[in-house]
Amino acid sequence: DAGVTQSPTHLIKTRGQQVTLRCSPISGHKSVSWYQQVLGQGPQFIFQYYEKEERGRGNFPDRFSARQFPNYSSELNVNALLLGDSALYLCASSLWGNEQFFGPGTRLTVL
Amino acid sequence: GESVGLHLPTLSVQEGDNSIINCAYSNSASDYFIWYKQESGKGPQFIIDIRSNMDKRQGQRVTVLLNKTVKHLSLQIAATQPGDSAVYFCAENYDGGSQGNLIFGKGTKLSVKP
Repeated sequence: DAGVTQSPTHLIKTRGQQVTLRCSPISGHKSVSWYQQVLGQGPQFIFQYYEKEERGRGNFPDRFSARQFPNYSSELNVNALLLGDSALYLCASSLWGNEQFFGPGTRLTVL
Repeated sequence: GESVGLHLPTLSVQEGDNSIINCAYSNSASDYFIWYKQESGKGPQFIIDIRSNMDKRQGQRVTVLLNKTVKHLSLQIAATQPGDSAVYFCAENYDGGSQGNLIFGKGTKLSVKP
């Protein structure tokens, strides 16, 4: 069975640009959560989507947005990139928010 | 791959010994807890979970202990192997785990010496 997949694996952007990250959950999972992991720290919650609706939002600015599609895949968008947005962005899927399975992440570098 | 273990507490054990990794969680209302293992360049991998109505749960070579009185969680790994070398995170959640917003601890880097 395929696990959670994320694309791209690596991305380099410059300050002020916009980025879109993609996530495909495990087949049958309807909940997708996004996390940001800065080097040397634990992941921090950004968003949760369940059945295409936002169910939770972490302490991140409005520059961060996300959506979930009818096939339960999800996109995370970040506008007006700052140097501090450089991190590993993780997507996790679950049946309804409990036991979460993580993808390999997208490494974003902002120059 | 890049290291996720920079500046983290480190536990160094000999191959074959038992490992105990500790975690203090923050929210007394949390009622669902998970341990994850993260290897360099990879996403966190689910190890074991426990709900607040339990104080102990066992898996294959791993045991999680929960002490709600002092808000403490521990992960015990039996017969630690080189492949267990990674950063270990505890994560907490409330509302029975139905909310997809896990709160992660700082992590502990486990180093297994052959």
